[in-house]
Amino acid sequence: GESVGLHLPTLSVQEGDNSIINCAYSNSASDYFIWYKQESGKGPQFIIDIRSNMDKRQGQRVTVLLNKTVKHLSLQIAATQPGDSAVYFCAENNYGQNFVFGPGTRLSVLP
Amino acid sequence: NAGVMQNPRHLVRRRGQEARLRCSPMKGHSHVYWYRQLPEEGLKFMVYLQKENIIDESGMPKERFSAEFPKEGPSILRIQQVVRGDSAAYFCASSPKQGASGNTIYFGEGSWLTVV
Repeated sequence: GESVGLHLPTLSVQEGDNSIINCAYSNSASDYFIWYKQESGKGPQFIIDIRSNMDKRQGQRVTVLLNKTVKHLSLQIAATQPGDSAVYFCAENNYGQNFVFGPGTRLSVLP
Repeated sequence: NAGVMQNPRHLVRRRGQEARLRCSPMKGHSHVYWYRQLPEEGLKFMVYLQKENIIDESGMPKERFSAEFPKEGPSILRIQQVVRGDSAAYFCASSPKQGASGNTIYFGEGSWLTVV
């Protein structure tokens, strides 16, 4: 289930289940979005991106959904594995200005 | 292909000293971003630079912090007279060009600054 920790919300899922991580973005003019994965002690790693003229994009085991009406982005991870445990950030970009990051969600994969 | 290179990875400074963090972008990338991250928090934008130009420094504190990206050499984030509140991870990211939608930025592994 999902809970709010001291700083980061945490999502706990069983290994093999699908994970859905949500993100509400702030700027209706943002036209490009990226999901990053950050493991402890490391830099953010690009997972998948989507432009505002799309509402869905699929990668390997990951799918990003974009709902511009409610300014909502989600990341779906199929068959979640222990190696997926990390903090996940969404980032929005408004026509080439700097990227604004969401607060992040910690994904914890249970054996 | 080398990724974004940051050094030092870990830096310890006493209060009042200066910290210099360096970032070499990916090959072919001419745009550099600096972000700060406190433990258990998200990434906060600080500054966005092109070679020899600061494009956007709206996220950088007005005092003690400065950034540059010279024509030759790495980008430098400089923090003067460090205080304990400067302790954080500082991440650099680079992109090949400005302005085009879909311009992914790639991050380095970060520099962890500890002020004692």
